[in-house]
Amino acid sequence: GAVVSQHPSWVICKSGTSVKIECRSLDFQATTMFWYRQFPKQSLMLMATSNEGSKATYEQGVEKDKFLINHASLTLSTLTVTSAHPEDSSFYICSARDPRRLATYEQYFGPGTRLTVT
Amino acid sequence: SQQGEEDPQALSIQEGENATMNCSYKTSINNLQWYRQNSGRGLVHLILIRSNEREKHSGRLRVTLDTSKKSSSLLITASRAADTASYFCATDATGANSKLTFGKGITLSVRP
Repeated sequence: GAVVSQHPSWVICKSGTSVKIECRSLDFQATTMFWYRQFPKQSLMLMATSNEGSKATYEQGVEKDKFLINHASLTLSTLTVTSAHPEDSSFYICSARDPRRLATYEQYFGPGTRLTVT
Repeated sequence: SQQGEEDPQALSIQEGENATMNCSYKTSINNLQWYRQNSGRGLVHLILIRSNEREKHSGRLRVTLDTSKKSSSLLITASRAADTASYFCATDATGANSKLTFGKGITLSVRP
């Protein structure tokens, strides 16, 4: 099946610094990727839809200047948390749909990135 | 905003028993999907049911969909300790490369 990877798997940063998280589709090209945020023992909240070659579409309430998304190629989307604060600590997960299997409607998820801001 | 609401929020059963998890949603959908998440990991797709389907099977999984009640159920038969995980239902409103809206999730514990 399609594989999505994320890097890093976990990161600790100091308050005020920026952190970049990468999401890669390893064996397919993804024109669209999705970024989610998940707090402990809670559900996934969609943050934004990342579109290759164009601006990301952010969900209501998500600060686009704080969570910068760049989908520079068909296999890579990045999420940069700028000027991170402790409340940004969370589990960030990306997903993508395989264009060869759109009829299945299935999304393939990365393993997630645990961000801790101290 | 969350679309799906699962119940129960937590379920503990003995290995070999069946586990039934329910999900309700609010708006019309193209399809509904169930995902599994092991602690601290990403999600794995389990099964999808389209809005014009009522029941689907995949191995030990059985999913039903009642669009009139806007509800779905996931049944795991003959549970195993390895089935211990969180389970989420997710609705897809249009199917056309659209976003998924997840429920709050159900924590399933299967005791060996």
